[in-house]
Amino acid sequence: NAGVTQTPKFQVLKTGQSMTLQCAQDMNHEYMSWYRQDPGMGLRLIHYSVGAGITDQGEVPNGYNVSRSTTEDFPLRLLSAAPSQTSVYFCASSYGPGRGNEKLFFGSGTQLSVL
Amino acid sequence: DQQVKQNSPSLSVQEGRISILNCDYTNSMFDYFLWYKKYPAEGPTFLISISSIKDKNEDGRFTVFLNKSAKHLSLHIVPSQPGDSAVYFCAARTSGSRLTFGEGTQLTVNP
Repeated sequence: NAGVTQTPKFQVLKTGQSMTLQCAQDMNHEYMSWYRQDPGMGLRLIHYSVGAGITDQGEVPNGYNVSRSTTEDFPLRLLSAAPSQTSVYFCASSYGPGRGNEKLFFGSGTQLSVL
Repeated sequence: DQQVKQNSPSLSVQEGRISILNCDYTNSMFDYFLWYKKYPAEGPTFLISISSIKDKNEDGRFTVFLNKSAKHLSLHIVPSQPGDSAVYFCAARTSGSRLTFGEGTQLTVNP
């Protein structure tokens, strides 16, 4: 049981490049989400999904796209990377509403630098 | 608008003593509160939680207190151990919705 798996662990991009951060969970969780962690700002929600085919914006969605074609996978896409997107990104998952969905399980993170 | 605030970026305590981490919130609709612990190069892990209908929850060395009138919660660690050194995040949830996190507090427990 691997839990929440994120790839890659580290990535350096040039401004304007695109990339996809991968996230997979094997716990059959309905709820998945992406956060970014910046110094002094805690964890801020980018996008989330309450089930396959359903996504919604979080607190800081600009510059990011997501899709949820399967229960297991929730990739985060940066279409045109900007230096302001330099951050540590965490994927998290949990059971659906009413089933303890507040207890998020986090991946180990992706450290992204945009030059 | 920072709805969940941890005003102390860092805290240093001696091994065996009590660690008290504080968190304030502004949204009265929050109905569930959690604490997460994060080690370097790892994702946050769930530590302890409390429902808004309670004022205390205990799990071993960890106790969370909730003061709804003051919109304040705290995490007590007794006794503190060097392995407790980590960043601690408090988080809050509105009913059926997502979590809002505080900025985090770096706890250092000195041997």
